[in-house]
Order: sequence, then C-alpha cells, then structure tokens
Amino acid sequence: AQSVTQLGSHVSVSEGALVLLRCNYSSSVPPYLFWYVQYPNQGLQLLLKYTSAATLVKGINGFEAEFKKSETSFHLTKPSAHMSDAAEYFCAVSTPAGGTSYGKLTFGQGTILTVHP
Amino acid sequence: NAGVTQTPKFRVLKTGQSMTLLCAQDMNHEYMYWYRQDPGMGLRLIHYSVGEGTTAKGEVPDGYNVSRLKKQNFLLGLESAAPSQTSVYFCASSYLPQVMNTEAFFGQGTRLTVV
Repeated sequence: AQSVTQLGSHVSVSEGALVLLRCNYSSSVPPYLFWYVQYPNQGLQLLLKYTSAATLVKGINGFEAEFKKSETSFHLTKPSAHMSDAAEYFCAVSTPAGGTSYGKLTFGQGTILTVHP
Repeated sequence: NAGVTQTPKFRVLKTGQSMTLLCAQDMNHEYMYWYRQDPGMGLRLIHYSVGEGTTAKGEVPDGYNVSRLKKQNFLLGLESAAPSQTSVYFCASSYLPQVMNTEAFFGQGTRLTVV
C-alpha cells in the first residue's frame, strides 16, 4: 500500500524567506512522486514530478524538490518566497498496482502556505 | 483549449435528492478520475475510468455511481444525497495511467452542499 504524509497543515513564511514543505511517502516499490499546487477556488496544477532520472527535480515558479530514498522524503523548497506563492500544496505518490496496469494517485493532506509581506 | 470543464460549479441539495456532475475534457485523454476534497484529508479517489465504456471503483465509491458513455465525458451521480457527501469534487484526466508518471489535468471543481 502507498501513502503520503505532509508534515504541517499550515506553513507561514515572510516574503523573501525560504519555503520548505515536507512530504514523506510509503511505498513497497519505487514510487513516482508529484507536487501539485492549488490556488484559491481553482483546480490542481502540476508543480513538478520525480521521474527517477535525477534526484533533484526543478519545477515551475522556482520550486524544486529532492528525492531522498533513504529518508523516504520528497520535500518541496523555494529559496525566496513570493506573495503569489500563497496556495495549498499537495504531495502525491503513484505506484504500479500489483499485477495491473493502473496505479492510483494518492494525495497527502495538503499544506497551506501563507506568505507575509 | 478548454482542458477539463466541470458542470455545475456550485450546488446545494437537500438530503435524499439526486444529481449528476458532468466532467468534459477536450484533450482526447483515455483516463478520467473523480476525486473529492475534504479539509485535512487531501483528495480521495471516488471512481475512475480507463476508457470509453469502462469504470472502476476508487477508495471511497459508496453512494456514488459513474458512467463513461463518451470518451470526452465522465459523469458522477449521487442517487440519494447525504450530508456526508458535502465536499468539493474534482474531475481529472490524463493521457496515460497515473502510474506512468504523467501529469493529470484537473477541472475547477464543484462545490456541493447537502443540507
């Protein structure tokens, strides 16, 4: 079974400060990992994804995430927060379902990022 | 290019009423999904479809039914709405199965309140 845990339902930072959103996963097989962002009253938008080609993944809007197998983590970072980064962020994991070609996308609980001036 | 369009965007139902949520995608995607989003619980998969005429249950299917009569449309039905179904519903589609490490495109969501 696969699962995702996002540490911290709310994170607050000042504009220009480092953003760190934590995600730990559980999977019995090598996972595919994603970060999605949801702006108020909108659907989810893909921020970045782990393709297994490189452990450090760069996404849109200056975000990046590092896959650490030993720590089963895929934390999202951005060196300098901008007011427009205020949103809810979801980590998600996908693994092949045993014996079938479909594996569901399992989401974490979400982390609301607030950016203060 | 509209992407994924959900109808309606808002709805208030009385307990026991029925309704259908419509999801339409214009990207020729084979795979479509219905999720519900509740505070502190992320998104949970209700039902999904791997192609026209096929549907399957996700992790929280009880109280919902779906149909995929046309490739571009995925309908979510509530036969007898209950307050526990108050939620924000999202439809998504993808070109490949989500297991293939591919992006899923999401609609804007439907906010449903059951009173």
